Amino acid sequence: EAGVTQFPSHSVIEKGQTVTLRCDPISGHDNLYWYRRVMGKEIKFLLHFVKESKQDESGMPNNRFLAERTGGTYSTLKVQPAELEDSGVYFCASSTGGGLNYGYTFGSGTRLTVV
Amino acid sequence: EDQVTQSPEALRLQEGESSSLNCSYTVSGLRGLFWYRQDPGKGPEFLFTLYSAGEEKEKERLKATLTKKESFLHITAPKPEDSATYLCAATRAGNQFYFGTGTSLTVIP
Repeated sequence: EAGVTQFPSHSVIEKGQTVTLRCDPISGHDNLYWYRRVMGKEIKFLLHFVKESKQDESGMPNNRFLAERTGGTYSTLKVQPAELEDSGVYFCASSTGGGLNYGYTFGSGTRLTVV
Repeated sequence: EDQVTQSPEALRLQEGESSSLNCSYTVSGLRGLFWYRQDPGKGPEFLFTLYSAGEEKEKERLKATLTKKESFLHITAPKPEDSATYLCAATRAGNQFYFGTGTSLTVIP
């Protein structure tokens, strides 16, 4: 089975620009999550989709971040306009149920650098 | 405040030298405590889930245990290929995980 795929793997953009990260979950996984790790800090929750609906977006830092999940398949996370503090590694994960039994399957992440 | 704290931050072991990693948590209504392994440039890879105090899980040279306040990941006779960052995460309902900052383990041949 193919894993969770994220791209790009790396992105370097200037402050004020827009960046869109994409995540393709494992086929059939209704639950999709975005997490972020800022340098030196722990991995932190951003939001959770069940199919195409946002179940919990309590971790989204501000309205410069917009997540969508088209038709309950792939998801995008757009940052507009990007700020220096948005730099970090953005992870996507998916699961069949709520993740309680088997945790999540994570992608390899997108390393975002805002200069 | 929900929080997960891991120690030590980094650990260097000789091959075959057993040790333990600690994960203390303050998450009300804990439903699951997870251990993940993360290699450089990769996402976290699931290792174990523990659900209740007293529970233990084993996989090869790794054994995870859980009490009401902390979890331990015991590594017995580690090999160089066990070198990685080990992450602990706690959840109330499985839909949002609280991660620790991880322990970076290096096993020297």
